[in-house]
Amino acid sequence: GNSVTQMEGPVTLSEEAFLTINCTYTATGYPSLFWYVQYPGEGLQLLLKATKADDKGSNKGFEATYRKETTSFHLEKGSVQVSDSAVYFCALGNAGGTSYGKLTFGQGTILTVHP
Amino acid sequence: DSGVTQTPKHLITATGQRVTLRCSPRSGDLSVYWYQQSLDQGLQFLIQYYNGEERAKGNILERFSAQQFPDLHSELNLSSLELGDSALYFCASSAGFTGYTFGSGTRLTVV
Repeated sequence: GNSVTQMEGPVTLSEEAFLTINCTYTATGYPSLFWYVQYPGEGLQLLLKATKADDKGSNKGFEATYRKETTSFHLEKGSVQVSDSAVYFCALGNAGGTSYGKLTFGQGTILTVHP
Repeated sequence: DSGVTQTPKHLITATGQRVTLRCSPRSGDLSVYWYQQSLDQGLQFLIQYYNGEERAKGNILERFSAQQFPDLHSELNLSSLELGDSALYFCASSAGFTGYTFGSGTRLTVV
């Protein structure tokens, strides 16, 4: 079955540091890949997505590239801010970018950014 | 406001009891999904409905059931509650390529 593995957390960084959160997946076919962010006390918000190999999703300074050869979708940001402190989830969904069908989530990575 | 409304936001109940969680999807979305988020299990898919019909089932216990009504809102019923059922329960809705939208969740505490 499908599975998503995220790097162990928590991750603690100083403001303006470079961020990488690793995500690898196992899936049949050609899934879509997502990063979601969860701020304290809130639901999950879509951060970015990629629907096919070599696609790069980007939003709010965050980027992730769909790498089929390494089955990875690592999240990066060049300069984090205190406001980026949250829990980040990598997720895998149906092929073709459709939004029908369940998402399979990684275990989440807690990011804390200090001033 | 994401457009997906979940009620109640918090629920405290005793073991053995039954509760109902409600979800109103974003306007126009036909699919509703339920997820459970707990510290030890992470985010687990429970069940999906599409336009009133059950579409997919995940790790949903037999004590749990759900339905989607003609107006597309959905309810998740949890019965014979145990301490281990304490978790955040999220509802999400989707429509085609517009992506999933999550509600802010219902925090269930079983005491």
